[in-house]
Order: sequence, then C-alpha cells, then structure tokens
Amino acid sequence: DTGVSQDPRHKITKRGQNVTFRCDPISEHNRLYWYRQTLGQGPEFLTYFQNEAQLEKSRLLSDRFSAERPKGSFSTLEIQRTEQGDSAMYLCASSLASPDRNQPQHFGDGTRLSIL
Amino acid sequence: AQKITQTQPGMFVQEKEAVTLDCTYDTSDPSYGLFWYKQPSSGEMIFLIYQGSYDQQNATEGRYSLNFQKARKSANLVISASQLGDSAMYFCAMRAGGSYIPTFGRGTSLIVHP
Repeated sequence: DTGVSQDPRHKITKRGQNVTFRCDPISEHNRLYWYRQTLGQGPEFLTYFQNEAQLEKSRLLSDRFSAERPKGSFSTLEIQRTEQGDSAMYLCASSLASPDRNQPQHFGDGTRLSIL
Repeated sequence: AQKITQTQPGMFVQEKEAVTLDCTYDTSDPSYGLFWYKQPSSGEMIFLIYQGSYDQQNATEGRYSLNFQKARKSANLVISASQLGDSAMYFCAMRAGGSYIPTFGRGTSLIVHP
C-alpha cells in the first residue's frame, strides 16, 4: 500500500494561468474524490469518480474546473484562468468502496495552490 | 441534505488529560456513517474512527472513542490520555444513505500543552 500520491505538492502561479494537478490513488481503489480546503475550513467536495466515470460534481465547481480519470487509474484536475479565490489546498482521496468502517477514504498530502 | 457542525474552533488540553471534541449532524436518512479524521500541520488527513448509525455500541480505537448519542444527533470524539502529538486539526464527516461522498465539518484545532 503506497498510499495516495499527489503532484505537485506546491504550485505558485500568476492569476490567469492554467494549472493541472495529478492524483495517483491506491492501486486497487476504484473510487476517487477531489476536495478543496481553504485555511480554517474543512475539505469541500469538488468531484467524484467511480472507475473512469465522473459521477458527481459539486454545484460550486465552476466551468473553469475540469477533472478526468482516464482508464480509471490516475486523475487530473485542471483549473483554467486561475483567480485569487482559487488559492487553496487541493486534496485527493480514494476508497475501495463507499466509505465506511472498513473502507475509509485515504487522502493524499494535497497540492497547495497559491495565486499571485 | 447532510450537514455537519463543529462548534469549537479551538480546544486546549493538558498532556495526559482527556478531551472531548464536539460534532453534531443533520440528516433525514436513517442509514449513515460518521468519521473522524486528524490533520496535523503537515497536511495529510488521517482516519481515526468510524460509527455507523445502526451500530449497537460506541466505537473505540485505542485512545479514541466516540460518544454517539443518536437522539441528539451528536458524535463527539473523546481522546484519552492526550499526547503532544495529538495537536492537530480534527474533522468530523458524515456519509448518509445512498450518497458516495462524505461531507466534512469545519474542524476543531486541538493544542496539547505539556
């Protein structure tokens, strides 16, 4: 179990630029989640994949955000035309089934995005 | 709709003492699960403990226990014999019914004093 891996750990970019983050879930996990966390807040759900299918997206997710999970393995989250308000920690989590006692979500260390 | 409320922004406890972190929830679904996660300053979210709505007993995992009061819709985390390494943010989360996605509260910052 190598854990959930996220890359990069930190990203600093100018407003208006596009950024892409990658998440590699635990290999046998077919469910993958993206969350956003701002300072002093809990993780806020962005989107959810089961295998390669994107089954749910938050209504808070603007059309500047897009996520993919080709072949049901790693996932990418892209933000186009970044804005100051996009500055946050982006967390990826995975699970083998619907989260419960035996199958909790496993989180990566996150990607911290700073918009200049 | 699911809602998780953590009303304590910050808590302080003396080393070796016990501390209770509050969590209340709201759902109309009779089937749900409650999670507690720890997030140290390094950022990773660490799963601590789970309570299912149909569980007959309160969950325990080592020094962590869950004071589950279903009628009051509360699921408070109790940490016994606090250690300096327990200093972190603590998040309560809930997954209800057919939803695949846990919803998180705003968290409580715990500081353990020597």
